[in-house]
Amino acid sequence: SQQGEEDPQALSIQEGENATMNCSYKTSINNLQWYRQNSGRGLVHLILIRSNEREKHSGRLRVTLDTSKKSSSLLITASRAADTASYFCATEPLNFNKFYFGSGTKLNVKP
Amino acid sequence: SQTIHQWPATLVQPVGSPLSLECTVEGTSNPNLYWYRQAAGRGLQLLFYSVGIGQISSEVPQNLSASRPQDRQFILSSKKLLLSDSGFYLCAWRSGGSEAFFGQGTRLTVV
Repeated sequence: SQQGEEDPQALSIQEGENATMNCSYKTSINNLQWYRQNSGRGLVHLILIRSNEREKHSGRLRVTLDTSKKSSSLLITASRAADTASYFCATEPLNFNKFYFGSGTKLNVKP
Repeated sequence: SQTIHQWPATLVQPVGSPLSLECTVEGTSNPNLYWYRQAAGRGLQLLFYSVGIGQISSEVPQNLSASRPQDRQFILSSKKLLLSDSGFYLCAWRSGGSEAFFGQGTRLTVV
């Protein structure tokens, strides 16, 4: 990809379990964002974490950022069937007005 | 509130035909505008971005071009489509280092 990779590529869990997705990137960044995409649709922004932040929460979402390792993780707690979607991280390189996406993790939450 | 319109939703075009996809944004001024392409089951590839009228940056050499004739209008074009141009095209906007807002996408099939 242009900037980063996510793993796992696919994740299947039972409703109520937690889901963790990881994102690694290549260059120093201003911020990192996570997006969700339902099948065949546009992307919806979930959370943005800046390079000087280490952790951020939003509802059932928890994002961590380790700039020394150039990695981030997205944790969805108490998953629901409605969380089934693809999840992407996007990074904004320093001093640029553009952002690059990872390859995505396809999450399937079984009811 | 801000909205982004992208059309058409689906398009089937023969090889060698021209292409014009349009994206317009409402409710904001001087946004950064982006075109991404997503192959089936894959991540998003940044194609073009624009920080102002007439200012276009291309990310990868390809058969496509972009133009920004007005502040809130972003057009993706091709003079002659190739089979490899098939994909899901997404337009996005954002202001500064904030989150991006995506259109619903155009699914292009070149036959």
